Amino acid sequence: NAGVTQTPKFRVLKTGQSMTLLCAQDMNHEYMYWYRQDPGMGLRLIHYSVGEGTTAKGEVPDGYNVSRLKKQNFLLGLESAAPSQTSVYFCASRPSGGTEAFFGQGTRLTVV
Amino acid sequence: AQSVTQLDSHVSVSEGTPVLLRCNYSSSYSPSLFWYVQHPNKGLQLLLKYTSAATLVKGINGFEAEFKKSETSFHLTKPSAHMSDAAEYFCVVSLRTGANNLFFGTGTRLTVIP
Repeated sequence: NAGVTQTPKFRVLKTGQSMTLLCAQDMNHEYMYWYRQDPGMGLRLIHYSVGEGTTAKGEVPDGYNVSRLKKQNFLLGLESAAPSQTSVYFCASRPSGGTEAFFGQGTRLTVV
Repeated sequence: AQSVTQLDSHVSVSEGTPVLLRCNYSSSYSPSLFWYVQHPNKGLQLLLKYTSAATLVKGINGFEAEFKKSETSFHLTKPSAHMSDAAEYFCVVSLRTGANNLFFGTGTRLTVIP
């Protein structure tokens, strides 16, 4: 009963490096989301997807790219990391007919 | 337009005393409402949800919330705080249609004093 799994859980990057965060869900949900969490700001939506092969921008998309080549996976990429991208990143999924979102455990990213 | 306001960024209570975390929302549609809890260095866990059934909703760990449409509120309560309740709590509004329809409050950090 894995639910939503994020990989990795922790990462330290140097400014300018690139990396990809992986989100995998085993609940056959259509919708998937990437959020970032910063102190005092709650969760802000970066990108989301309504199905395989589709993506859309959220509230704070700049500096990030995403891909959803398979229904169960949603990848978040940072092409050139910046210190402002130091944050905790959460992935979530939700069925298209439902309202409750299911969250991963988070990825703590530090850019130095 | 939709929005969620958590009225307190930080609440501090003594162990064994009641907990009240306040949430107000605005929505043009009939929303679903949720409370999530996040313990330190953990993910978000669903505490309870309101989806247009009973207005008093009971959740896990003794928490409950009451949906008051006239006051556009969905406050979270617990009769007696436990040390393990210390965490951050998020109020979330979800519209019933569309994909980009989750709106988060900025969170309330609950501290429980022994």
